[in-house]
Amino acid sequence: GDSVTQMEGPVTLSEEACLTINCTYTATGYPSLFWYVQYPGEGLQLLLKATKADDKGSNKGFEATYRKETTSFHLEKGSVQVSDSAVYFCALSGYYGQNFVFGPGTRLSVLP
Amino acid sequence: DGGITQSPKYLFRKEGQNVTLSCEQNLNHDAMYWYRQDPGQGLRLIYYSQIVNDFQKGDIAEGYSVSREKKESFPLTVTSAQKNPTAFYLCASTRSRGHNEQFFGPGTRLTVL
Repeated sequence: GDSVTQMEGPVTLSEEACLTINCTYTATGYPSLFWYVQYPGEGLQLLLKATKADDKGSNKGFEATYRKETTSFHLEKGSVQVSDSAVYFCALSGYYGQNFVFGPGTRLSVLP
Repeated sequence: DGGITQSPKYLFRKEGQNVTLSCEQNLNHDAMYWYRQDPGQGLRLIYYSQIVNDFQKGDIAEGYSVSREKKESFPLTVTSAQKNPTAFYLCASTRSRGHNEQFFGPGTRLTVL
């Protein structure tokens, strides 16, 4: 079945450091790919998405590119802030909304 | 504003009691989902529904029940058969067709006393 793998956390960075959280997937067909963010005690919020190969999703300084050849969707940010501390989930979905699959999440802590 | 509401935000239950968590959406979405999240863990799918009056079990349905009598509502009942119900419960919805994301509610934290 479809699956998503993320790098193990927690990830601890100093403010203004560069961030990369790796995400790879296994899926049939051409899934859509997503990054969600969860702040403590809250639900998940969509951070960015990409629906076809080579699409780049971006939001709030975060970026991720849909790489079909490497089945990857790595999350990147050039300069993290303390307010970026949260758990980040990579996810995929088939065209008909079925098989919405989440990765295990990666906890990011940014220190001042 | 369109969105998903969950109530209550915090819920306390005595052992042996059933409890129902509310989930309402005004996004006109066809599909709705319930997830369970334990501390420091990812999401596990409990039940989902892609159309009114129809729903399917997810990965951890035992001890839970749902109904989908209206498009906008998908309540979850945690029964006394659920042995370890203390967790954070998240409701989500999405349009069934197309490359669409899931929208999430704010969650309900259930604690069994």
